[in-house]
This record gives sequence, structure tokens and C-alpha cells, in this order.
Amino acid sequence: ILNVEQSPQSLHVQEGDSTNFTCSFPSSNFYALHWYRWETAKSPEALFVMTLNGDEKKKGRISATLNTKEGYSYLYIKGSQPEDSATYLCAFISGNTGKLIFGQGTTLQVKP
Amino acid sequence: KAGVTQTPRYLIKTRGQQVTLSCSPISGHRSVSWYQQTPGQGLQFLFEYFSETQRNKGNFPGRFSGRQFSNSRSEMNVSTLELGDSALYLCASRGATYNEQFFGPGTRLTVL
Repeated sequence: ILNVEQSPQSLHVQEGDSTNFTCSFPSSNFYALHWYRWETAKSPEALFVMTLNGDEKKKGRISATLNTKEGYSYLYIKGSQPEDSATYLCAFISGNTGKLIFGQGTTLQVKP
Repeated sequence: KAGVTQTPRYLIKTRGQQVTLSCSPISGHRSVSWYQQTPGQGLQFLFEYFSETQRNKGNFPGRFSGRQFSNSRSEMNVSTLELGDSALYLCASRGATYNEQFFGPGTRLTVL
């Protein structure tokens, strides 16, 4: 059974704080790792699609790194803003399929 | 380009009934995946359809079934509903970038 773990489960930070989350996944049969952002009452939206060991991707204040050999990815948010409040999901794909194995997510609350 | 659409958005059924949910993918996308989200369980993969064929199936009982039509629209059916089937059901169509998923708004099913 493939397991994807995310930590922490939830996080409360003040506006301006920087934060990071962890996603652990199986290190074998790796195809891709996705990060999604899911705001309340909206659809999950893809942040990053990561495929190569050592990948680093950035979108504005959010960045992510990937280590496929040890099976983890980090998501960083620099200078959190209230609009960053959402659940951040990572999803592991072990082959060229549409079957994503999601972690439980990290729920971020940014207080003004 | 229109996004993924799902109908209905909300549904209330009673135990023992059956339900059919519909999903229209982004134009040109041929793969549709279905996910179930329940509190505490995260997003669980149900199945994936590609060109009218089921390609992958998650660990759900046979009461959960689906199909895909020639225009790529997909339906998911749940028979003999149980209270535990109350959940948000999301469908996603697959893009070309390492299987990036584009999610619909979901159907919130409540079983009484």
C-alpha cells in the first residue's frame, strides 16, 4: 500500500511569518509529485508538478523542493499572507496514470 | 477554455438509494479521474477513465462504478447508498504535464 504523509497536519502563523511543510512518499517507482492548494469552497488548484530529483520550483512567495532518493518534498511560503490560508496537498504518482495518492494535507491559517 | 464541470453540486439521498454524478472534463482532455473526500480521510482515488475505458481503480466496493462516454464526459454511480458514502466527490481531468489534474468544483453528497 502506497502511503503519502504530510506534516504538520495544521499550522497557525502570523502574517509575515515564513513557514514550510513536509511531504513524504515512497522512494520507489517515482513518476511525479504534485502540490495542490485547496481553498475553502473552491477546487484544488495545482501549484507545482515536480519530476526530477533535486527539482526546485518557485511561484511568487511559494517554492518547493524534491528529493526522490529519500522520498520527501518541502513546500515553503515566504512572508505568509492571510490569502495563503488554505489546505496544501501533495500527491504522489507512481506511473503514467491519473491515479494520484494524496497526503492528508496541511491546513495553514495565517492571522493578520 | 472552460474548466471541469460537475453536476449536481449538492445532492441529498437516503440509505439504499442510488445516485449518479456527472463530470465534463476540459475540452480535449481524455482522462477523467474520480476522488472521494471525507473528513479525516483526505482525497481517496476511486477510478480513472481514459477513452471510455477504466484504466485504474481504487480500493472501493463494487457499489461504486463509473463510465465514460465518447465525448469524454464521465458518470459515477453509487448503488445501495450507505451513510458512510456522504462525502465530497471530485472529478479531475488530466493535463499533459506529468498528469497534472484539473479539478471540478465537486458534488457534495449527503446520505440520510
